[in-house]
Amino acid sequence: QQPVQSPQAVILREGEDAVINCSSSKALYSVHWYRQKHGEAPVFLMILLKGGEQKGHDKISASFNEKKQQSSLYLTASQLSYSGTYFCGTERDCGGSQGNLIFGKGTKLSVKP
Amino acid sequence: EAGVAQSPRYKIIEKRQSVAFWCNPISGHATLYWYQQILGQGPKLLIQFQNNGVVDDSQLPKDRFSAERLKGVDSTLKIQPAKLEDSAVYLCASSLDVATSGSISDTQYFGPGTRLTVL
Repeated sequence: QQPVQSPQAVILREGEDAVINCSSSKALYSVHWYRQKHGEAPVFLMILLKGGEQKGHDKISASFNEKKQQSSLYLTASQLSYSGTYFCGTERDCGGSQGNLIFGKGTKLSVKP
Repeated sequence: EAGVAQSPRYKIIEKRQSVAFWCNPISGHATLYWYQQILGQGPKLLIQFQNNGVVDDSQLPKDRFSAERLKGVDSTLKIQPAKLEDSAVYLCASSLDVATSGSISDTQYFGPGTRLTVL
């Protein structure tokens, strides 16, 4: 039931782009993306809902393919501050929002100068 | 707006001892979550409250873990007795409930967590 994230880790130079993927074997109601820096709390980035609604960060984009139960997070022109571990949290489709998320194992992103 | 508050930030105990964590959610947030995050993994939901009622506690090890949210505001998570494998960061999160916010899925805001080490 836990979503699978890929890649597990990625190293970028400042200004480069990255894509982080999240896939589930279950029908999803929503996908939530968070970034966590070492020793800190996860910080909300994006919500993507079935039906196309999105809410989140204006400098980060993401997609949600409902047919494949996959979501991708697009980080463009990366900055040093983008470094951290990115988690997707998936909410199963039980006919509405239940609130409880299942998180993937995370993707560690390191941005170098 | 004040964020989710948690205390203590760090706790070191011996196995078989008991420990309690406290969480105060963002004002007005009806839904409160406790997560366990083991090093190198994503947060794992332990229990979800809606006001003072339990919505989901299916992954809470009820033989040793308990949680309460008596007045529908702050919450306490207890472990008794602790085991070595309970070493983790315990995160509390809160969100507006869908009916209040008008959204169809709500953002969860996380507190700084309590890092528990069981020796």
